[in-house]
Amino acid sequence: DTEVTQTPKHLVMGMTNKKSLKCEQHMGHRAMYWYKQKAKKPPELMFVYSYEKLSINESVPSRFSPECPNSSLLNLHLHALQPEDSALYLCASSQDAGPSAGELFFGEGSRLTVL
Amino acid sequence: GQNIDQPTEMTATEGAIVQINCTYQTSGFNGLFWYQQHAGEAPTFLSYNVLDGLEEKGRFSSFLSRSKGYSYLLLKELQMKDSASYLCAVRSNTNAGKSTFGDGTTLTVKP
Repeated sequence: DTEVTQTPKHLVMGMTNKKSLKCEQHMGHRAMYWYKQKAKKPPELMFVYSYEKLSINESVPSRFSPECPNSSLLNLHLHALQPEDSALYLCASSQDAGPSAGELFFGEGSRLTVL
Repeated sequence: GQNIDQPTEMTATEGAIVQINCTYQTSGFNGLFWYQQHAGEAPTFLSYNVLDGLEEKGRFSSFLSRSKGYSYLLLKELQMKDSASYLCAVRSNTNAGKSTFGDGTTLTVKP
């Protein structure tokens, strides 16, 4: 199994809603990532979890709250988002973290629209 | 910090060869990745270079010169399905090994 699975594929939410994005991998990877990607732009790193601990937070606003319940699962909790947060949210994993991490395996993404 | 430059767009003909360049400036280099991303899909890994030289993988090859801060991705025998965005990503040997992506090169393959 070389897949990273993300749900939901599409999400529309209002600015007062609370929702969550979910990500799962069963490759035994020890690092998991959240990226945000706007149209015609590269992925921008948001968070990195290494061995289930948050290792990088790229100064992301607190309305985005990551959670890593176990080594296979990664969630992104969303609350009080703004329309400019509308984007494709990509989950990725790698075998390890840090300078010897290896390549990233990306999920298909969750396309978020904030009204 | 890191600064990565790639051409924004390229066009090539089916069956031809195309070279996509990537130049970078980084405070600590620990590898360069190339990813392919079709419109509306997730990026997929193509190649990885950490030492100088050429890495070949079927129709795709990637080259790295660390002293020049330069890499290229070479695509041979182009097919229509190669139309996609190609992302160069540089990994740091500091900052927890974070990888930073260039803006990507959109390649259009024409018949």
